[in-house]
Order: sequence, then C-alpha cells, then structure tokens
Amino acid sequence: NAGVTQTPKFRVLKTGQSMTLLCAQDMNHEYMYWYRQDPGMGLRLIHYSVGEGTTAKGEVPDGYNVSRLKKQNFLLGLESAAPSQTSVYFCASTGQGAGANVLTFGAGSRLTVL
Amino acid sequence: AQSVTQLGSHVSVSEGALVLLRCNYSSSVPPYLFWYVQYPNQGLQLLLKYTSAATLVKGINGFEAEFKKSETSFHLTKPSAHMSDAAEYFCAVSLSGSARQLTFGSGTQLTVLP
Repeated sequence: NAGVTQTPKFRVLKTGQSMTLLCAQDMNHEYMYWYRQDPGMGLRLIHYSVGEGTTAKGEVPDGYNVSRLKKQNFLLGLESAAPSQTSVYFCASTGQGAGANVLTFGAGSRLTVL
Repeated sequence: AQSVTQLGSHVSVSEGALVLLRCNYSSSVPPYLFWYVQYPNQGLQLLLKYTSAATLVKGINGFEAEFKKSETSFHLTKPSAHMSDAAEYFCAVSLSGSARQLTFGSGTQLTVLP
C-alpha cells in the first residue's frame, strides 16, 4: 500500500549543480503534481501532468523541468540549482471520478542548495 | 480569482479544549474548500472537503468545518483536542474543483499543551 513515493528524501546541492527528484505512484492515477513548500507560504504548484507524455506549468515553474514518460512516474529536474530553490518538495496525484479533487501526497523531499 | 487566508500562523490549545482554526476565502462564486493536515515529516492528507452538498462537513479524527457563505469562511473545529492533533493545518480553495487549480493557505501550526 505504498501510495506516492518520493526519492530522495534529503539532498544537499551546491549552486549550479543539477539533480532529479523522482515521484512514483501505484494507484493508477492520471494526474500528478509537483509542489514546493516554503515557511509561511503554504504549497505552490510547480508543474503538473494530466497524463502520460503531457506536462504543464503551474504557479512557479521557472528553474524547473518535468517529464512524465510513464504513467506511474513524474520527474522533477533542476538544471542549475540556486539557493532560492532550497525548499521541501512534494509530489501528489489524483485519480478520476469522485476522488478527482483529492490529492494524495508523498512524504516530501527536502532540498538544500548552498 | 481566488485566494485563501488563514488567520493565525500558530495556535496553542490545552488538551481537551476546543480547537478553532480560521480560514477565509475570496472568490466570485462558491468554491470547493478543503482542509489538509500535515504531521511532522509527512506529506499532507485530507481532513475534509466542502463540495456544496452540505454546509457542515465532518472529517476524520473528529474534525468538522462549516461553510458560511455570508462570512466567506470555512473554519475548522474539534470539540476536544488530543495530543495527537499537533500538526500543521492547511486550508485550500478551488473554484472549479480541480486539484490543479487549488490555492493553499499559508498554514496554521497547532500545538496541544498537556
């Protein structure tokens, strides 16, 4: 009963380095999302996907890229990390029908950029 | 346009006391409203949601919230706080009901005192 799994849980980067966060869900959900959580700001949507092979920008997409090559996976990439990208990143997914507006979240990935 | 305001970034209550967490929204039409809870080092999980079926919504763990259109509010309450309720609580709003158009509040950290 894994739900949404994020890897890695913690990462420290130097400015300018690149990295990829992986999100995997086993609920056959169509929609997947990447959020960042910063103190006092709630969660802000970075990118989302409405299905395999499709992605779209959210509220704060700059500096990030995403890919959804398989339905169960949603990758978030940082090509050149900046200190402003220090945050906790959450992946989430939603299904269809009655549960389409209820997000299932992963446990988060804490990223520090020095 | 939609926005959500949570009054009080930190709330402390004694165990057994009433919990009241405030949420006010701003939108041109009655929105979909949600409360999510985040326990330490975990992702968010749904407490309850309002989707126009009933103004008083009951959620998990004894929480409930009442939609008041005249006050544009959706405050979260629990009659008697438990130590296990200590967490951060987020109110969220979506005009369309779609998760990709969800706007989160800045969160309220609830501390329960013994």
